[in-house]
Amino acid sequence: KQEVTQIPAALSVPEGENLVLNCSFTDSAIYNLQWFRQDPGKGLTSLLLIQSSQREQTSGRLNASLDKSSGRSTLYIAASQPGDSATYLCAVGDQTGANNLFFGTGTRLTVIP
Amino acid sequence: DAGVIQSPRHEVTEMGQEVTLRCKPISGHNSLFWYRQTMMRGLELLIYFNNNVPIDDSGMPEDRFSAKMPNASFSTLKIQPSEPRDSAVYFCASSPGQYLAEKLFFGSGTQLSVL
Repeated sequence: KQEVTQIPAALSVPEGENLVLNCSFTDSAIYNLQWFRQDPGKGLTSLLLIQSSQREQTSGRLNASLDKSSGRSTLYIAASQPGDSATYLCAVGDQTGANNLFFGTGTRLTVIP
Repeated sequence: DAGVIQSPRHEVTEMGQEVTLRCKPISGHNSLFWYRQTMMRGLELLIYFNNNVPIDDSGMPEDRFSAKMPNASFSTLKIQPSEPRDSAVYFCASSPGQYLAEKLFFGSGTQLSVL
């Protein structure tokens, strides 16, 4: 069974810093990988989706990379803002039948003004 | 589009009572998913539907849980009888694709507390 790990569990940075969130997974045979954002009391919002054939995806100040061979993905946030404060989760789509999605436990990010 | 709509937002009930959670997916989406989120176990997939047909219900904890999707615009998750360990946030999500590992759109969730 695919296991997805996100370290650290929590991260605090001052506003304006660039930061990297990490996601690791145990089985490199993946279908895709998604990064989600969850605000307190809210559902998850999909930020970026990387297909297994891709190396990275970008949206605004966000850049997600994927290295299947090492079982890692990173989410890079440039010029962080207090509004970026949220929990960020990665989810790995399993290749077998493309019908399994495994979530990490998330990294809680606080951007200090 | 209003996004995925869930009701109620909060539900407080007593052990043994029946609980029904409701979900309206995004119009045109083919797949609908029910998740449960707790601090201890994170996000767990309970069941998902494709074109209103249940595809995988292996995540449903036990027979006390049941889910239906009578049409493309409505789904329910029922717990009968409810127990304190069912307390969690229940999310509904929909996807335009056929597979679970497509881009998901989540509702705001139902916070369930069973006393």
